[in-house]
Order: sequence, then structure tokens, then C-alpha cells
Amino acid sequence: KQEVTQIPAALSVPEGENLVLNCSFTDSAIYNLQWFRQDPGKGLTSLLLIQSSQREQTSGRLNASLDKSSGRSTLYIAASQPGDSATYLCAVRGGPGNQFYFGTGTSLTVIP
Amino acid sequence: NAGVTQTPKFRVLKTGQSMTLLCAQDMNHEYMYWYRQDPGMGLRLIHYSVGEGTTAKGEVPDGYNVSRLKKQNFLLGLESAAPSQTSVYFCASRPWGGRAYEQYFGPGTRLTVT
Repeated sequence: KQEVTQIPAALSVPEGENLVLNCSFTDSAIYNLQWFRQDPGKGLTSLLLIQSSQREQTSGRLNASLDKSSGRSTLYIAASQPGDSATYLCAVRGGPGNQFYFGTGTSLTVIP
Repeated sequence: NAGVTQTPKFRVLKTGQSMTLLCAQDMNHEYMYWYRQDPGMGLRLIHYSVGEGTTAKGEVPDGYNVSRLKKQNFLLGLESAAPSQTSVYFCASRPWGGRAYEQYFGPGTRLTVT
């Protein structure tokens, strides 16, 4: 069974700092990996999707990388802002039924 | 284009009561999913559907049933609610296809079973 781990569970940084969130998975046979943002009491908003054949994807201040062979992905956030405060979740798609498997998330706080 | 919607947003049930959660999507997606989210557990897949009239079990299907009679709707039923089913339930959908397609999530239903 695919296991997805996100470290750290919580992170607090001052505004303006660059930061990296980590996601690791146990089974490298994946179709894609998706990063989400979740605000308190809200649903999930998709940030980036990386296909299994890709190494990275960029959107604005966000850059996600994928190293499928080592079972790792990182989400890089440049010049963090208080509005980036949220929980960030990664999910990998694969396995029986082409299911999605989620990590438990990293709770990010950006201090003004 | 409303995307993925869920009804109701909040519900409180007593142990043993039944209810149905409705998920609707207007993007003509083939795949639909029901997840539950619990503190410290992440999102876990309950059931999913790869098309109208089809359903399959996910990671935590016990105590739930689903139906997909219409392509745009995916219903999640609790026949006899238990306190362990207190959770936030999310519905998601995605189009049929390869690796480039994202999941789209609804806003969630917060269910409390007392």
C-alpha cells in the first residue's frame, strides 16, 4: 500500500523567506503527484500537478519537483507572504484502481 | 460553472440514524471520489466511481454505501451512523484520461455523530 509522508508537520517562517516543503512516497509506480492548499475549514485547492514523466512544474512563486526513483517531491515557495499561511497537502496517484493517496500535510504559518 | 458542490455543508446525527451526502459536478467528469479527513490521518478514500453506474471500494469503505445513477452525481450513504464516522467528508472528480488530469474538490461536509 502506498504511504505518503510530509515533513515537517508544521512550519513557521518570517515573511519574505524562501521555504521548502517535503513529500515522500513508498511506491514509485505513480501516474502523477499533485500539491494542494487547504485553508482552515475549507476544501482543497490544487496548486500544481507533476506528471510522472516530468521533473518539475512552476506556477508563480511556487515550484514543485519530482524525483520518482527516490520517491520524493518538494514544493518550493519563494518570498513567502502571510497569505501563504495554510496547510499544504501532497497526493500521489497510482496503485489499484488508480487511486489517490494523501499525506497528512504541512501546516505553514508566515509571520508578518 | 459551479465545479464540485456538496450538500449539506453541516450535519449532526444521532448514533444509528441514516443520511445521504450528495456530490454534484458540472464538468462532465467520469471519475468521482469520496474521502474523509480526520485530524492527523490525512484524506482517506472511502469509495470511488469510474463512470455512471459503477462504484468501487477505497481504503475505508466499511459503514458506507455509494451510488452513481447519473454521471454528474455521486451519493454517499450512512445506513447506521456511528461516532467513529464523525469527520469532514470531501468529494472530488476528475476527467478520464492520462497523467495530466487534476482532481477537483468540493468544499466539504462536516458531519458530527453524537
